[in-house]
Amino acid sequence: DAGITQSPRHKVTETGTPVTLRCHQTENHRYMYWYRQDPGHGLRLIHYSYGVKDTDKGEVSDGYSVSRSKTEDFLLTLESATSSQTSVYFCAISEGQGGRADTQYFGPGTRLTVL
Amino acid sequence: GNSVTQMEGPVTLSEEAFLTINCTYTATGYPSLFWYVQYPGEGLQLLLKATKADDKGSNKGFEATYRKETTSFHLEKGSVQVSDSAVYFCALVNAGGTSYGKLTFGQGTILTVHP
Repeated sequence: DAGITQSPRHKVTETGTPVTLRCHQTENHRYMYWYRQDPGHGLRLIHYSYGVKDTDKGEVSDGYSVSRSKTEDFLLTLESATSSQTSVYFCAISEGQGGRADTQYFGPGTRLTVL
Repeated sequence: GNSVTQMEGPVTLSEEAFLTINCTYTATGYPSLFWYVQYPGEGLQLLLKATKADDKGSNKGFEATYRKETTSFHLEKGSVQVSDSAVYFCALVNAGGTSYGKLTFGQGTILTVHP
């Protein structure tokens, strides 16, 4: 199994509160991704990173920011949480060497509830 | 843009039955195709993949063939087990341009296998 951990695994917070989720990898992979999973939508990409301090937006990036100051850590921040951000958040990593053949490996997920 | 459409679930089968989960896609260029599986309370695990037309991915008795002419990647298994109960996601990734390495998922199909 790929060495990916996410913290916290569960969090309940209130509307308007800032929240930071952490993804940590031990594989030294170049690419890291944040997805959210919602019923009927599968997984949707929020942001991704292709190197330290190199990030880009995904399809549902509004209300989220990310940072990557070290290869192994990718942080997702909700500046002011809203109830629509209640979801399960997954981090993924890939080597980013082979283009189309690259496989993404997923972390265990963080269940976030915004009241 | 890219999109993936899976057959709607849930799918309920008896043990040893034949399984098919349909997946069709829309993409520019030549994507790679994936099936991921998610067991209850866990993250996504790669089940199989195919990177070019007519390739067959296989793993744990599951198979899927990359059909470019029908833009499909249907998942099959000849004899399902109770332990196969999970959510199955079809996904694609394109390389190059602005969509490098980003997975596009179908909405997921819930499979329940009864003894």
